[in-house]
Amino acid sequence: KAGVTQTPRYLIKTRGQQVTLSCSPISGHRSVSWYQQTPGQGLQFLFEYFSETQRNKGNFPGRFSGRQFSNSRSEMNVSTLELGDSALYLCASSLGWDEQFFGPGTRLTVL
Amino acid sequence: AQTVTQSQPEMSVQEAETVTLSCTYDTSESDYYLFWYKQPPSRQMILVIRQEAYKQQNATENRFSVNFQKAAKSFSLKISDSQLGDAAMYFCAYSILGPSGSRLTFGEGTQLTVNP
Repeated sequence: KAGVTQTPRYLIKTRGQQVTLSCSPISGHRSVSWYQQTPGQGLQFLFEYFSETQRNKGNFPGRFSGRQFSNSRSEMNVSTLELGDSALYLCASSLGWDEQFFGPGTRLTVL
Repeated sequence: AQTVTQSQPEMSVQEAETVTLSCTYDTSESDYYLFWYKQPPSRQMILVIRQEAYKQQNATENRFSVNFQKAAKSFSLKISDSQLGDAAMYFCAYSILGPSGSRLTFGEGTQLTVNP
């Protein structure tokens, strides 16, 4: 069974731009969660989607948003990028009530 | 709010030796799950072991085992017969799994070095 895939793997943007990251979960998984990993703040939860509905949300500004499609694929969007948004963004999928399996991440650099 | 603390930023161990990584957490919940994840230089997060809080028996997975002390809110990871491939950042994580979601709260991480 294929694992969680994330695209793109690397991304370079400039301040003020917006970016969209994509995550395809393991087949059959209905939950997708997003995490931000930075050297200073560590791993922080962004949000979780289950069956196209946001089920949980972390403490991030409204510039961070997401959505989930009927095939469980998920996207997260960051608008008006700031230097501090540079991070590794990890996506994880699960059945919805069980352990999470992580993708390889998207490395975002904001210049 | 739930918090997870890993007090050892770095640890090292000789190949074939045993090492224990520490983790404490704080929660008011009685039913929850604890995990250890491994993140090698590739940055791929890999689940090492999980423990359900309602289970008194400590979880084991091959060379990996945990010491779960619920009253003390302590959850340590023991790696036996350490191998070079065990070198990675290890994260302790907490979650309540169920219909309301499966949000993970992570500790700061412990960088493990395995010396040949």
